[in-house]
Parts: sequence; C-alpha cells; structure tokens
Amino acid sequence: NAGVTQTPKFQVLKTGQSMTLQCAQDMNHEYMSWYRQDPGMGLRLIHYSVGAGITDQGEVPNGYNVSRSTTEDFPLRLLSAAPSQTSVYFCASKPGGLSYEQYFGPGTRLTVT
Amino acid sequence: KNEVEQSPQNLTAQEGEFITINCSYSVGISALHWLQQHPGGGIVSLFMLSSGKKKHGRLIATINIQEKHSSLHITASHPRDSAVYICAVRSIQGAQKLVFGQGTRLTINP
Repeated sequence: NAGVTQTPKFQVLKTGQSMTLQCAQDMNHEYMSWYRQDPGMGLRLIHYSVGAGITDQGEVPNGYNVSRSTTEDFPLRLLSAAPSQTSVYFCASKPGGLSYEQYFGPGTRLTVT
Repeated sequence: KNEVEQSPQNLTAQEGEFITINCSYSVGISALHWLQQHPGGGIVSLFMLSSGKKKHGRLIATINIQEKHSSLHITASHPRDSAVYICAVRSIQGAQKLVFGQGTRLTINP
C-alpha cells in the first residue's frame, strides 16, 4: 500500500492563479480531509468528506473547493490564490467510524507571492 | 481559549532524560490522539486512546477523562526523538473531526 499520497510536494503560485492539490489513498478509507498548518497554530480543517459524493466544510473553507468523485481521490482546489494561503497542506484519511486513527500524507508546501 | 492546549510549547533536554508533554482539552471526547511530526514534515500517529494508558517501546501515553488531561512520556530520550508532538481530540459533537493542539517542539541534545 502506498498509503496517502499528495502531489506536488512544493508549489509556488502568483496571486490570483488557481491550482489543484492532489490527494489519493489506496486503503479504501471512507473519511478524507484536508488541513493546513501554519506557524504557531495547530492543524486546521479546511474540508472533509465522509464518502464518495459527500463533502463538507471545516474550520477554514474560504478560498478552497473540494470534490469526492471516487473513494480514492480527494483533490483540493484553490480558486484564486492569495498570500494568506501560503501554508503547508496535509491530506489525511481514516476508515469510517469514530475510533480509527488517521493517516496523513507527506504534505504540500505552497507559497503564494 | 483553544479547545486543546499543550504544554510546554518548546522543550529542550539532554539525551537520556525522561520527557513529559501535557495536553488539556475542554470538550467531551471520544478519543485522543498523539501525533509526531519530524523535521521533514511528515505526520505519523503514535497513539489513539480513550481511557487509561498505552505503551509503545519508550513512549507512554496516559489519559484522565475526568480531568480532561493527557500526557505523553518518553523514557531514555534520544536525539532521534527530536520532533514536534501534537495532541488532537475527536470531540463527541464533532463526530469524525479532529481538533489539534499547537504542538510541542522537542529537542534532545546528545
């Protein structure tokens, strides 16, 4: 199993550009989520999905879109990048249910200039 | 006030010392997680617990549900233990969502 994979590892964008951060998992997990990690702050939930076709907003959803057309993939789209979106982004997945641990991808470091 | 508070924020110790990192939370939870983030950035799960105590090698995690408090202990610390340790809780209201502490940066000097 590859686990949770994310691409790209690094990305530099100019303000106003759009892009998609890719996330995939091969563990047949129902639950997938996107977090951002900023200095001095804990990981914050952007969007999450409890299964294919179902997504919902997290704590900081503005400026981001997600979709979940398959169980495996959960892309995060930045519609019009802003410097405030400079961050490290982590995708994570877990089986459904309340008691399973979460598996994290390696992260994408995004810089918006 | 954050729902999950960790202390200390930074901790430097000498190799071999016994390390304790604390986590306090203010919500009812179904589980608490301890995570490790190495300088390379990847995050791995160390423990998931809802009561009592768990041990993996030199790592021990305890939780007191009544006091809403958990501790992560490292015995015989080693420079390779240097990392950021993150506490996260799965609240009863939040169902699947995790709420994270700010992390504790641990540095073990040889």
